[in-house]
Amino acid sequence: DGGITQSPKYLFRKEGQNVTLSCEQNLNHDAMYWYRQDPGQGLRLIYYSQIVNDFQKGDIAEGYSVSREKKESFPLTVTSAQKNPTAFYLCASTTRGPDTQYFGPGTRLTVL
Amino acid sequence: QKEVEQDPGPLSVPEGAIVSLNCTYSNSAFQYFMWYRQYSRKGPELLMYTYSSGNKEDGRFTAQVDKSSKYISLFIRDSQPSDSATYLCAMSRNQAGTALIFGKGTTLSVSS
Repeated sequence: DGGITQSPKYLFRKEGQNVTLSCEQNLNHDAMYWYRQDPGQGLRLIYYSQIVNDFQKGDIAEGYSVSREKKESFPLTVTSAQKNPTAFYLCASTTRGPDTQYFGPGTRLTVL
Repeated sequence: QKEVEQDPGPLSVPEGAIVSLNCTYSNSAFQYFMWYRQYSRKGPELLMYTYSSGNKEDGRFTAQVDKSSKYISLFIRDSQPSDSATYLCAMSRNQAGTALIFGKGTTLSVSS
């Protein structure tokens, strides 16, 4: 089945630790995205990548880093510089044509 | 003024009611308009996708776009308890895999 997978589903981190969230897609989509969702908020864009080995900052990139070494994978690292990392993180992908974004199931990160 | 405004609700209706969900936007460059449904603790799923102005119908769902008023709507006919979810509007400027701009979402509850 084609789709987007995110792992883990739940993640707990101690303050001061970096943590990496996984996002994999087998849809052959060129573009991939990371969003953050907080209660009562919409989705806010962290980073996006339109092709391999290239990515751009979104609206709230501070404290996050990404890589895009393979078309299928777009991992997100939440660094200790992110002051309020507890949130629901969503990965999405799309083709570059007249299509729209399809989302993974999300990772809920809690900083203890 | 935020680019996309959406009333967060909550909106509570009895089963069988017609539901109207709305978003307004400020950027006249938006051309692609989407509605996503998000169940609690899940990733958003695409419901409707419309290019430019007009109506689009899919089963019990109808999406309307009025670009002159910068206003989009989603109508749900014969609402069911399974429609209880958060509905997010989203829009983009062009088709080349750019990031979407989301509303904050409207929480809908349909009681049986």
